[in-house]
Amino acid sequence: KQEVTQIPAALSVPEGENLVLNCSFTDSAIYNLQWFRQDPGKGLTSLLLIQSSQREQTSGRLNASLDKSSGRSTLYIAASQPGDSATYLCAVRENTGNQFYFGTGTSLTVIP
Amino acid sequence: NAGVTQTPKFQVLKTGQSMTLQCAQDMNHEYMSWYRQDPGMGLRLIHYSVGAGITDQGEVPNGYNVSRSTTEDFPLRLLSAAPSQTSVYFCASSYPDKYNEQFFGPGTRLTVL
Repeated sequence: KQEVTQIPAALSVPEGENLVLNCSFTDSAIYNLQWFRQDPGKGLTSLLLIQSSQREQTSGRLNASLDKSSGRSTLYIAASQPGDSATYLCAVRENTGNQFYFGTGTSLTVIP
Repeated sequence: NAGVTQTPKFQVLKTGQSMTLQCAQDMNHEYMSWYRQDPGMGLRLIHYSVGAGITDQGEVPNGYNVSRSTTEDFPLRLLSAAPSQTSVYFCASSYPDKYNEQFFGPGTRLTVL
């Protein structure tokens, strides 16, 4: 069974700092990987989707990379802002089956 | 577009009661799914549907039923609520199939006493 791990579970940084969130998965036979943002008491907002054939995707201040062979993805946030404070989740879609495996998330706090 | 909508936002049930969580999407997405989110466990797939009239089980289907009579709606039924079903439930959809970007609803917070 695929296992998705996100470390650290919580992260606190001062405003303006660049930061990296990590996601690792145990089975490299994935179709794609998706990063989400979840605000307290809210649903999940899709941030970036990386197909297995891609190495990275960018959207504004966000950049996600994927290294399938090592089972790792990183989400890079440039020039962090207090509005970036949220929980960030990654999820992988396997090549076969219907499961979409989620990590337990990294809770980010950006201090003004 | 309203995206993915869920009702109710909050619900309290007593053990043994039944209820239906509603999910609707207006994006003409074929693939829809239900997840539950529990502290420390991430989101887990309950049931999914690849199109109207087709449903199947996910990782944790026991105690839940689904049906898909239209492309837009995918209700989740709790047959006889148990305290172990206390959770936050999310509905998601994607087009044209499960391999594309997933869009999530705002969630239903359910408490079973």
